[in-house]
Amino acid sequence: KAGVTQTPRYLIKTRGQQVTLSCSPISGHRSVSWYQQTPGQGLQFLFEYFSETQRNKGNFPGRFSGRQFSNSRSEMNVSTLELGDSALYLCASSPGQSSSYNSPLHFGNGTRLTVT
Amino acid sequence: GQQLNQSPQSMFIQEGEDVSMNCTSSSIFNTWLWYKQDPGEGPVLLIALYKAGELTSNGRLTAQFGITRKDSFLNISASIPSDVGIYFCAGRPSGTYKYIFGTGTRLKVLA
Repeated sequence: KAGVTQTPRYLIKTRGQQVTLSCSPISGHRSVSWYQQTPGQGLQFLFEYFSETQRNKGNFPGRFSGRQFSNSRSEMNVSTLELGDSALYLCASSPGQSSSYNSPLHFGNGTRLTVT
Repeated sequence: GQQLNQSPQSMFIQEGEDVSMNCTSSSIFNTWLWYKQDPGEGPVLLIALYKAGELTSNGRLTAQFGITRKDSFLNISASIPSDVGIYFCAGRPSGTYKYIFGTGTRLKVLA
């Protein structure tokens, strides 16, 4: 079974630009979560999508947004990039149904975003 | 954002030694997960724990779900150089579907 796939692996953008990251979950998984990882702040939860609806949201500004498609693939968008947005962005999938709330998260290898 | 308290932050050990790390929370958790992350890669699930008191092994790794449901620990026995990496705990608070991550333990093994 293929794992979680994130594209692209690396991105370099300049301040003020916007960026879109993509995540394909494990086949059959309907929940996709996004995390921002930085050395100083660790893994911070951005949001979680299930069946094309945002089910949970972290404490990030509105510049960070996401969506999920009917095939469970998800995209994350960051607008008006700031230097502090430089981070590893990780996507994780899980089955997501209420009957499997305890299911662990399975991560992709992330997208390394550098903002200059 | 909310995080778990994970300790130690980092540790250097000799090859062959045993390693222990733990996570604590002020909230009750229904699930504890332990991950390992290598440089340039995403976290990989090592062990998942679902019941208070549960003790689970995965090769040389053993993890336990604390009785109070507010803590968990991970032991690595007879460490080897490939154990190098960052280990994260993650917990799911009761009543939520969102996982909270510890700050990580950076492990370095000296051959």
